Amino acid sequence: EAQVTQNPRYLITVTGKKLTVTCSQNMNHEYMSWYRQDPGLGLRQIYYSMNVEVTDKGDVPEGYKVSRKEKRNFPLILESPSPNQTSLYFCATYGTGSYEQYFGPGTRLTVT
Amino acid sequence: RKEVEQDPGPFNVPEGATVAFNCTYSNSASQSFFWYRQDCRKEPKLLMSVYSSGNEDGRFTAQLNRASQYISLLIRDSKLSDSATYLCVVRGFSGSARQLTFGSGTQLTVLP
Repeated sequence: EAQVTQNPRYLITVTGKKLTVTCSQNMNHEYMSWYRQDPGLGLRQIYYSMNVEVTDKGDVPEGYKVSRKEKRNFPLILESPSPNQTSLYFCATYGTGSYEQYFGPGTRLTVT
Repeated sequence: RKEVEQDPGPFNVPEGATVAFNCTYSNSASQSFFWYRQDCRKEPKLLMSVYSSGNEDGRFTAQLNRASQYISLLIRDSKLSDSATYLCVVRGFSGSARQLTFGSGTQLTVLP
């Protein structure tokens, strides 16, 4: 079954405590992306990756890092989370030749 | 001006009604268009692509007007299960991975 998994699904943390949200896909897709979704602002792209070791900034990259050491994994790293990073985060993927994005189930992050 | 704009709603319609959503986009070079559906607190899923000639999938009809830079989604004979947020998605320049821009969504509630 084609799947995009994210962990954790829910996280409450405190300002400044480093955290990582993992994303993994089993579809052998080249392209992976991270979005955040906030009320009234829609989905905004944080970072994306075209393939292993190839990453680039999206529209709202400040405060985030990513890495793509393996094709299937694309973790999102918050080195020093702040309350304005409280949001719903989605990982997404698609393969070449198709623009249908498959989304993970989402990670609801609260930073206090 | 936002790149992709949608009326946020909410649209509350009775079961069986016909409802239409519009979405405008600002970049005339946009190439591909999609409607995604997002249920409450869940990940977005592709509903349908939008083709230049217009296309239909069961009770759903999507249309594109390039001259006026808008796309529309028509839902006929609406069902309770159609209640969701509908996201308009636009793909920009070819060759760029930063392509998909999401509208903030239109919320639909179908009432019994």
